[in-house]
Amino acid sequence: EAQVTQNPRYLITVTGKKLTVTCSQNMNHEYMSWYRQDPGLGLRQIYYSMNVEVTDKGDVPEGYKVSRKEKRNFPLILESPSPNQTSLYFCASSRHAGGMNEQYFGPGTRLTVT
Amino acid sequence: GDSVTQMEGPVTLSEEAFLTINCTYTATGYPSLFWYVQYPGEGLQLLLKATKADDKGSNKGFEATYRKETTSFHLEKGSVQVSDSAVYFCALAANNAGNMLTFGGGTRLMVKP
Repeated sequence: EAQVTQNPRYLITVTGKKLTVTCSQNMNHEYMSWYRQDPGLGLRQIYYSMNVEVTDKGDVPEGYKVSRKEKRNFPLILESPSPNQTSLYFCASSRHAGGMNEQYFGPGTRLTVT
Repeated sequence: GDSVTQMEGPVTLSEEAFLTINCTYTATGYPSLFWYVQYPGEGLQLLLKATKADDKGSNKGFEATYRKETTSFHLEKGSVQVSDSAVYFCALAANNAGNMLTFGGGTRLMVKP
């Protein structure tokens, strides 16, 4: 089954404790990205990657890091999480970059930072 | 920068009622327009899209027409069902290599039997 998977689905952590949220897709997609969803704000892009070893900042990159060492994986790293990073995070992928390409979303990771 | 504005919810309708969720956008150039749907506890799924002016996207009884003159992409359905209860997001993507989606704030639809 074609899908985007994320782990963990739920995470509660404390300020300053480094964490990684994994994302994997099995569709051989070139393009992957991370969004955060906050009430009333819709989804905002954090980082994106157009292919292996190519990453770039989205709208809200501060406090986050990403890497794209393999085509299928695109982990999101919070080196020193803060309470304002409490949010619902979605990973997405599409076959290619380019505005008309449909993006496929993972099920989401709900992160709480206390 | 690009932006998307959609009506705030929640929108509460009875089964078989007519649905309209308004969406307007601001963008340079000619973006692609999308409606995504998020069912409770799930990620977003593409509902329909339109990539150029006057295109009509349709899926599962939902429709939206890309209106460049009014910069709008309103979502409509003639007869909603309880199973349509979800959050609906309007989004645009500039037709460049970045592929970033700009989302509206989302509209929650609740359909009562």
